[in-house]
Amino acid sequence: RKEVEQDPGPFNVPEGATVAFNCTYSNSASQSFFWYRQDCRKEPKLLMSVYSSGNEDGRFTAQLNRASQYISLLIRDSKLSDSATYLCVVNSPSGNTPLVFGKGTRLSVIA
Amino acid sequence: NAGVTQTPKFQVLKTGQSMTLQCAQDMNHEYMSWYRQDPGMGLRLIHYSVGAGITDQGEVPNGYNVSRSTTEDFPLRLLSAAPSQTSVYFCASSSDGPLDTQYFGPGTRLTVL
Repeated sequence: RKEVEQDPGPFNVPEGATVAFNCTYSNSASQSFFWYRQDCRKEPKLLMSVYSSGNEDGRFTAQLNRASQYISLLIRDSKLSDSATYLCVVNSPSGNTPLVFGKGTRLSVIA
Repeated sequence: NAGVTQTPKFQVLKTGQSMTLQCAQDMNHEYMSWYRQDPGMGLRLIHYSVGAGITDQGEVPNGYNVSRSTTEDFPLRLLSAAPSQTSVYFCASSSDGPLDTQYFGPGTRLTVL
């Protein structure tokens, strides 16, 4: 099983839709979780950290399920500007890379 | 405040050539790192540094060298370019280590022929 797995998509949704992405991780000792956003041909930028109790930032909600080892990102009322690739990032307590990046899930919001 | 800057934006090399990718940050961040991003793969860590004078290897260090003589600069050297090093390279920095918010530079697109 890969350390961090994401559905690559693309997810094509109409404006105003609600869309959810899941990400699974294999290392049960991981403690820190993040969602980064990457626009086409641009650098990744932090969207939000994911906290144990779940957290919300405007239209974005992140959840963590430690028992099943997955995190999720919910986007409500999708905007055209939400079109991007969303990277799931998990810390790796062992090995030689502190952070493991998923391959990303591509979202296209269509007018 | 420019954040993280990288030069050049684009580069084409021939196999066997060497070059240095530049990375600088003006946020006084201690932690800096280099990643490469290939199609269909997540970002992979090449080298990182927790402060001036300290560097360490990441997941894919072979063929690359780094140094950190100042807090601001973290150049990545390709010793003898190979086609397998064709990739997009991102430099990142953070104030408080790898679990803090990573600020990425705009990237360098490198093609090795």
